[in-house]
Amino acid sequence: GAGVSQSPRYKVAKRGQDVALRCDPISGHVSLFWYQQALGQGPEFLTYFQNEAQLDKSGLPSDRFFAERPEGSVSTLKIQRTQQEDSAVYLCASSRTTGAYGYTFGSGTRLTVV
Amino acid sequence: DAKTTQPTSMDCAEGRAANLPCNHSTISGNEYVYWYRQIHSQGPQYIIHGLKNNETNEMASLIITEDRKSSTLILPHATLRDTAVYYCIVRVGGGTSYGKLTFGQGTILTVHP
Repeated sequence: GAGVSQSPRYKVAKRGQDVALRCDPISGHVSLFWYQQALGQGPEFLTYFQNEAQLDKSGLPSDRFFAERPEGSVSTLKIQRTQQEDSAVYLCASSRTTGAYGYTFGSGTRLTVV
Repeated sequence: DAKTTQPTSMDCAEGRAANLPCNHSTISGNEYVYWYRQIHSQGPQYIIHGLKNNETNEMASLIITEDRKSSTLILPHATLRDTAVYYCIVRVGGGTSYGKLTFGQGTILTVHP
């Protein structure tokens, strides 16, 4: 596709509910990142994939957060037993290489936990 | 990755140049300077990056001081659509480094008519 696509655009979850957020990176892009952006803050790194391998998950805030990219393209970020502090915009970014290049971000999924 | 310091906010008149400063006094020799911006309700957008030489593309120019401890992003003719949060990021680049980005608070640039 022309850009990084994320769905849903908005998600409202009741506390304790599980959610799954999807990211469709630009076709052929090797690198894929997930970031979390709280209101009024800059994005914060969650996890990184190179193709299907999850090489860095140091930013995942708890074991309730899980990400996968089984075929090296589409990625899913899953949050189990959502809590109010999980409310944020979740951003996905991709890049065609692993080097020092600019990344293309999606518009994000705004998650609100009530 | 080196920490960066940016002003919280700046104003600019439409049609004038916007000069956004960034301090990165602890930058290492293998760290690049990146600029991204984020328009309201959108994901961050890559603008430009450089190592030590000044860089220019269709969006902006990046001026890096000789000692590399600071840089300036220049939008030559700001428009209302340039109103956004601008992030200056320093990170290791090149080779096999995947270079996760560490965003700070950024500079809120407001372009006025």
